[in-house]
Amino acid sequence: GAVVSQHPSWVICKSGTSVKIECRSLDFQATTMFWYRQFPKQSLMLMATSNEGSKATYEQGVEKDKFLINHASLTLSTLTVTSAHPEDSSFYICSARDPGAGTETQYFGPGTRLLVL
Amino acid sequence: GDSVTQMEGPVTLSEEAFLTINCTYTATGYPSLFWYVQYPGEGLQLLLKATKADDKGSNKGFEATYRKETTSFHLEKGSVQVSDSAVYFCALKETSGSRLTFGEGTQLTVNP
Repeated sequence: GAVVSQHPSWVICKSGTSVKIECRSLDFQATTMFWYRQFPKQSLMLMATSNEGSKATYEQGVEKDKFLINHASLTLSTLTVTSAHPEDSSFYICSARDPGAGTETQYFGPGTRLLVL
Repeated sequence: GDSVTQMEGPVTLSEEAFLTINCTYTATGYPSLFWYVQYPGEGLQLLLKATKADDKGSNKGFEATYRKETTSFHLEKGSVQVSDSAVYFCALKETSGSRLTFGEGTQLTVNP
């Protein structure tokens, strides 16, 4: 199956700094990518939908100025957590839709664990 | 809005035991239903899916049947293996769009 990678897999940062997380589709072009957040023992919560070449669509309650999403190419989307605070510590997961595989199919990255001190 | 409810975990079974993980959903339309599996240290992988009522999805010995009358999509396997230890997520997708709504996930541990 198609592969989606995320980098970094782990990041620890100081409060007030910004952190960028990359999501790449390795063997297909993803017109749409999704960013999720997962708290311990909880479900994945969709944060935003990212379409290549256009602005991301954020879910209700997600601060777009805090979680900056850029989808500048068909294989790369980035999530930047700006001025991170301890409450932003979480597991961030991206997924990518392969248009060649139909709207049903999303491929997930392995996730990035963020710890803000 | 749409929602998915899974049975609470964790679930611990012995090898070759029968597995059921319950999943019920609430949706306004006629969603597609999915089970995803997350092995330790890996991303979510699609395990099986069903796109309409009475469809049965199956893969790797796992099965789930789309029951519209009970709004359920329970995951079953007749004989689990240690390698099935993972977190299982039930999810739905409305007919239009690509957005997935996930359940809380159920941790399964299979002991030898």
